[in-house]
Amino acid sequence: DAKTTQPTSMDCAEGRAANLPCNHSTISGNEYVYWYRQIHSQGPQYIIHGLKNNETNEMASLIITEDRKSSTLILPHATLRDTAVYYCIARGGSNYKLTFGKGTLLTVNP
Amino acid sequence: EAQVTQNPRYLITVTGKKLTVTCSQNMNHEYMSWYRQDPGLGLRQIYYSMNVEVTDKGDVPEGYKVSRKEKRNFPLILESPSPNQTSLYFCASSLVQGTIYNEQFFGPGTRLTVL
Repeated sequence: DAKTTQPTSMDCAEGRAANLPCNHSTISGNEYVYWYRQIHSQGPQYIIHGLKNNETNEMASLIITEDRKSSTLILPHATLRDTAVYYCIARGGSNYKLTFGKGTLLTVNP
Repeated sequence: EAQVTQNPRYLITVTGKKLTVTCSQNMNHEYMSWYRQDPGLGLRQIYYSMNVEVTDKGDVPEGYKVSRKEKRNFPLILESPSPNQTSLYFCASSLVQGTIYNEQFFGPGTRLTVL
């Protein structure tokens, strides 16, 4: 799986959009980009995944650049409950293992 | 409610005393996996199972055993726990559908302390 690079931490004001970047410059054509988050030692929670096209669900939007070397997770209206560590993972082929890096600690401030 | 359950949630034990952490899912998922999470090391996979009676080692299998006799259950066994197995453990499961990879559902975690 391709290595991903994320900022260590980010802050966001409550009610504003949180934009979390991820670099995956060595991603291969069959690797998806996944985002999970972990709220204070709880089990990681799936957010969204995509291959080429931008994706949106009830939790977030995922914007993948045309060259697929980077992506951005967007939480449109961050709340205090969105404070968590966010993990960007590239996974593909027949590998079901999720390789978690250090992720980005997003702190949503009142 | 679709979920992955783990028991116990907290456990303090002593070196060498065999223990089992249970994991159960009610979503008919084929794939199940165990991870451990340690400060500074992130989540690392211990063992995984693609289906009943099919298990394989992850990145850190030493000191652990698993079994998959039923689709819904995937217990983690520590035959002789040692202090370096003190950790936060997560079980996860997901469907296996061709080449379309689905989300993995994680359990709430088991915090194990080995004295």
